[in-house]
Amino acid sequence: NAGVMQNPRHLVRRRGQEARLRCSPMKGHSHVYWYRQLPEEGLKFMVYLQKENIIDESGMPKERFSAEFPKEGPSILRIQQVVRGDSAAYFCASSPPSQGARYGYTFGSGTRLTVV
Amino acid sequence: TQLLEQSPQFLSIQEGENLTVYCNSSSVFSSLQWYRQEPGEGPVLLVTVVTGGEVKKLKRLTFQFGDARKDSSLHITAAQPGDTGLYLCAGPPAKSYKYIFGTGTRLKVLA
Repeated sequence: NAGVMQNPRHLVRRRGQEARLRCSPMKGHSHVYWYRQLPEEGLKFMVYLQKENIIDESGMPKERFSAEFPKEGPSILRIQQVVRGDSAAYFCASSPPSQGARYGYTFGSGTRLTVV
Repeated sequence: TQLLEQSPQFLSIQEGENLTVYCNSSSVFSSLQWYRQEPGEGPVLLVTVVTGGEVKKLKRLTFQFGDARKDSSLHITAAQPGDTGLYLCAGPPAKSYKYIFGTGTRLKVLA
């Protein structure tokens, strides 16, 4: 019974490159959430997705960032033309369709993005 | 703006001491969760409280949800170095699908 799987755990990109972060939710979970955590800070909501639908992307920068959760395969958070300020830990969480947020989320171990 | 304010922000105590962390809001929440996050890892869900006034115990940890469902507390008895970490409260405000995280409390327990 695997939990939320994120890969890679660590990602180093040069300024201007693209970063692709992947998240496979827990089995039976069809809701995926992406959060960003800067060093010594709390978790900031980025985007909420269901299969093939973006439900809420109000926390995601309008430029360079995009997210998808296709019918098959993991959810992808894509950052184009990365800048040093994108360096952070990116966490994915999932929840079952019937519960939403009422009983909390299951988080992955995160992807630590370093832009050099 | 719906916020969850946690206090204290930082806490450093000796092994064996007791402590309480607070999570406060001016908004009503459908439920509140407490997470612990260790360095390099994702948050791990500790407990969910749903009913106003509810108290839940998890070994040395006691969680309470305020009667009005606007606040919560986490009390740790006889803290151990293994309790060290970032403690986060979070929850969905009533009548909202959004999920709000608290500002966090960094606890360090010294041996």
